[in-house]
Amino acid sequence: RKEVEQDPGPFNVPEGATVAFNCTYSNSASQSFFWYRQDCRKEPKLLMSVYSSGNEDGRFTAQLNRASQYISLLIRDSKLSDSATYLCVVRAGGGNKLTFGTGTQLKVEL
Amino acid sequence: GAVVSQHPSWVICKSGTSVKIECRSLDFQATTMFWYRQFPKQSLMLMATSNEGSKATYEQGVEKDKFLINHASLTLSTLTVTSAHPEDSSFYICSARTGDEQFFGPGTRLTVL
Repeated sequence: RKEVEQDPGPFNVPEGATVAFNCTYSNSASQSFFWYRQDCRKEPKLLMSVYSSGNEDGRFTAQLNRASQYISLLIRDSKLSDSATYLCVVRAGGGNKLTFGTGTQLKVEL
Repeated sequence: GAVVSQHPSWVICKSGTSVKIECRSLDFQATTMFWYRQFPKQSLMLMATSNEGSKATYEQGVEKDKFLINHASLTLSTLTVTSAHPEDSSFYICSARTGDEQFFGPGTRLTVL
């Protein structure tokens, strides 16, 4: 079983749609959680950290369920510019190492 | 967010040559930097953790004599791919941590002919 699992997609959605991605992690000692965005042939860029109480940044909402070891990302009112691969990333407690999921590809279409 | 630069952006070289990649934290000091590799349609894989003033820590399966890491200052880490072969062709990305967040350089696309 992979340490961080994501549905690779692609998810093709029309502009303006609401779309959600899920991610599960296997290491119960994971303490920090993030969503990164990676455009084709570019480096990952931090989209948002994920907090236990859930957090929102504009059109993006992240949720964490520690009991189920599950993280989600919701994107409202999708824009063409949201087309990218979204990486679920976790860090075990006390460590430096980030573990990446393989990413979920989103394509927003007219 | 914090800025991490990486050079070169891309390099094409012949098999058997060595390639050096530089990673710099531009607006913060990083005692620890990380080197990743990403093959097409795969996730980022951590190769090694670079510690300023001490030896790097390599992940299992990564040859330390082939991927030489030097972290000479708080803002610079270098990765040298020695005697590169076509199977080393990949996207190499460095990153640095500040606080709880980790920021990535723009990556170096290495193609070995």
